[in-house]
Amino acid sequence: GAGVSQTPSNKVTEKGKYVELRCDPISGHTALYWYRQSLGQGPEFLIYFQGTGAADDSGLPNDRFFAVRPEGSVSTLKIQRTERGDSAVYLCASSATGTMNTEAFFGQGTRLTVV
Amino acid sequence: AQSVAQPEDQVNVAEGNPLTVKCTYSVSGNPYLFWYVQYPNRGLQFLLKYITGDNLVKGSYGFEAEFNKSQTSFHLKKPSALVSDSALYFCAVSDYSGGYQKVTFGIGTKLQVIP
Repeated sequence: GAGVSQTPSNKVTEKGKYVELRCDPISGHTALYWYRQSLGQGPEFLIYFQGTGAADDSGLPNDRFFAVRPEGSVSTLKIQRTERGDSAVYLCASSATGTMNTEAFFGQGTRLTVV
Repeated sequence: AQSVAQPEDQVNVAEGNPLTVKCTYSVSGNPYLFWYVQYPNRGLQFLLKYITGDNLVKGSYGFEAEFNKSQTSFHLKKPSALVSDSALYFCAVSDYSGGYQKVTFGIGTKLQVIP
């Protein structure tokens, strides 16, 4: 596709359940980022992938959160034992490289609601 | 640590008038500064960035921003506002210390252009 695609666009889950959020970056982009945007806040960094490896996962809030990018393209953000505080819009972005000279393109996000 | 402050929750401006959306930053080392716009139900869109060079940066849709090192500011400006500019604007900063685009966003400023 032409842009970053995130699925599903909306996800409602019960507290304690497991969820997976998918990100399809722009083809050929090696850098991929996950951000979380809570209501009334700016996006907060979660994790950065360069290729298949997580180069920086310092933003993941706790060990219930995990992300993978096994083939260096599609990434999945996984949340175990969801809590109501996990409710937010999860944004994915990709760029051709990780450098400042390349623009990061954001997807439309997945709105996660934990009830 | 890096941080961004957007002191105004909302800016109202009449169509055709100049607009300014304020941003100040704090970062160790050289700052890399960005502005993004978020329309309802759409992803973040890149407007412009400052990496180095001229302090006045021109971006998409007629927007520009001026980097002021002494005031640690990066205010977004447009000479003549359009109703279609109404959206949520985010300022972001990175110190690039890790060699990649790990940015910290402000909480956003809602721009309302009044016809």
